[in-house]
Amino acid sequence: SQQGEEDPQALSIQEGENATMNCSYKTSINNLQWYRQNSGRGLVHLILIRSNEREKHSGRLRVTLDTSKKSSSLLITASRAADTASYFCATRGAGNNRKLIWGLGTSLAVNP
Amino acid sequence: GAVVSQHPSWVICKSGTSVKIECRSLDFQATTMFWYRQFPKQSLMLMATSNEGSKATYEQGVEKDKFLINHASLTLSTLTVTSAHPEDSSFYICSAMGQNTEAFFGQGTRLTVV
Repeated sequence: SQQGEEDPQALSIQEGENATMNCSYKTSINNLQWYRQNSGRGLVHLILIRSNEREKHSGRLRVTLDTSKKSSSLLITASRAADTASYFCATRGAGNNRKLIWGLGTSLAVNP
Repeated sequence: GAVVSQHPSWVICKSGTSVKIECRSLDFQATTMFWYRQFPKQSLMLMATSNEGSKATYEQGVEKDKFLINHASLTLSTLTVTSAHPEDSSFYICSAMGQNTEAFFGQGTRLTVV
């Protein structure tokens, strides 16, 4: 089931530039997670931000969460060619439901 | 992070045969496992959710008899695609979640039915 929308759907930048991807969702959440997927591979968990958090950092990644706007952003700073992948946001709803609701993904191409 | 092992990573089978895909959590107890299907350049589509020891909960439109899910232990879940047809060709991904963990994903299985 999908409720998240991500923009842009595709992003092409040069190495060294920053990449920003956005995710919007529709219902109340427990947390929001960002994942990365290289072509034809499984997903790698990048970062989880809880509903009571506003910003989180991990290395070159910075995630923000605005629950009033039901949106999140993922910033990758000083991008590298190896960052080329698809990035997905996923939300876990409030309550006991453990399902993740997935965004449509952003395809990021970092050109050397 | 925790490790989830999914295999095979790819399989080719003939129409009408069945294929079993395994998903194992190697270093934690997976109380919940999810099975997804992913079409090229698209997001993940949840097929079913399984809790250890109980029947899987299938998403709307997913045939239970076609996609058999077993979650008999806290470290293993299997997806069996029965009587496979070419339209079942896809990328299947499992995900495991512990009691208080985020979801960890297997490497995915590329199924091609010929």
